[in-house]
Amino acid sequence: SQELEQSPQSLIVQEGKNLTINCTSSKTLYGLYWYKQKYGEGLIFLMMLQKGGEEKSHEKITAKLDEKKQQSSLHITASQPSHAGTYLCGADRSNTGKLIFGQGTTLQVKP
Amino acid sequence: KAGVTQTPRYLIKTRGQQVTLSCSPISGHRSVSWYQQTPGQGLQFLFEYFSETQRNKGNFPGRFSGRQFSNSRSEMNVSTLELGDSALYLCASSFGTGGRLEQYFGPGTRLTVT
Repeated sequence: SQELEQSPQSLIVQEGKNLTINCTSSKTLYGLYWYKQKYGEGLIFLMMLQKGGEEKSHEKITAKLDEKKQQSSLHITASQPSHAGTYLCGADRSNTGKLIFGQGTTLQVKP
Repeated sequence: KAGVTQTPRYLIKTRGQQVTLSCSPISGHRSVSWYQQTPGQGLQFLFEYFSETQRNKGNFPGRFSGRQFSNSRSEMNVSTLELGDSALYLCASSFGTGGRLEQYFGPGTRLTVT
């Protein structure tokens, strides 16, 4: 959906490198969700952010929400091959739980 | 705690047929949402059920319908299948309805329409 833009669309990094994925909404956010998906499989829940300035971490993955800019960033530190997959951001813009998703960022990590 | 389960995992149907997909939410979760994922359109919201009532609906034709049972399990039905209905159908469960709740997805049902 163009209402939720993710960048970059794809990323290839060397193992051990840090990387950042961005997600920008054209409208107000009530909640921002990050998921990881392996090809053809279900979505793995990573984090949900609700408030501006909120930052959460899960292992080597950190996500922040900038409510003013209606933007979230997902940062992976010291990437590993296990981080490979497609990262999807989902936004709740109606405070109903109905999520709109970005097109995803496909990450490859080269050993 | 078991995660969200979906059955069947794979399905092949012919144009014009109908199909029913099933989703069992995480124990204690009462809301089930359905999404369709295709390479062209990405992930799109179909509908949400909570306490056996449809709470939210996406922009899909009436051929797509769903229901929820008293044990929170949900089914979605697609009638008069079209080639464009080929997709990965995902369901997500959450504790309640409304915003600001964590949503957990199942492994999906891959539907191929020939």
